[in-house]
Amino acid sequence: AQTVTQSQPEMSVQEAETVTLSCTYDTSESDYYLFWYKQPPSRQMILVIRQEAYKQQNATENRFSVNFQKAAKSFSLKISDSQLGDAAMYFCAYDQGGSEKLVFGKGTKLTVNP
Amino acid sequence: DTAVSQTPKYLVTQMGNDKSIKCEQNLGHDTMYWYKQDSKKFLKIMFSYNNKELIINETVPNRFSPKSPDKAHLNLHINSLELGDSAVYFCASSQDGWTADGQWTLEGEQYFGPGTRLTVT
Repeated sequence: AQTVTQSQPEMSVQEAETVTLSCTYDTSESDYYLFWYKQPPSRQMILVIRQEAYKQQNATENRFSVNFQKAAKSFSLKISDSQLGDAAMYFCAYDQGGSEKLVFGKGTKLTVNP
Repeated sequence: DTAVSQTPKYLVTQMGNDKSIKCEQNLGHDTMYWYKQDSKKFLKIMFSYNNKELIINETVPNRFSPKSPDKAHLNLHINSLELGDSAVYFCASSQDGWTADGQWTLEGEQYFGPGTRLTVT
């Protein structure tokens, strides 16, 4: 079965600095999608960034970028120029291509210090 | 032993019909969710219930109505189905990780059901 592991329960960063959240996953499939979602206390689930496994180029969205290492099954999220509004729970997620199979990691709580 | 189950797995129906998707969790969680997954695999939250009370109600057509008879169940009823409703719908559950004062209790990971692929023709 596919698993997603976020080894950092909590992380903190100074405002304007850069932080990297780690995520590893386990799968024997070759076609899949990886996501980072952000959940603030409002309990919304906000998509941060998406990566297709077949794409070698790392996805970027403004201040957010990923380091996708397919062979190592690693999918870390880098947040540059951290802002107070970035404080939230961050969940790494795996979606099996071609079937409805969705697995979330346990989450990493990010605190941004002013 | 299935943690979060959804029925049906596949649902094919015609425009204008009314249909329901059922969700049940046996994890003892107090929060349940409905998500719609679009063609790009993006998850969009639709509703969230905590202890049978609605806490998130995103801007979805009022043809969609969630019903939570108890903490273990969150059903989704859709009236007057439209072509654009075709998607995969995921149910999820979690223990509410957020406390009232904005603290995270490290228990809020979400467990997802197998999804329901709805096709409206």
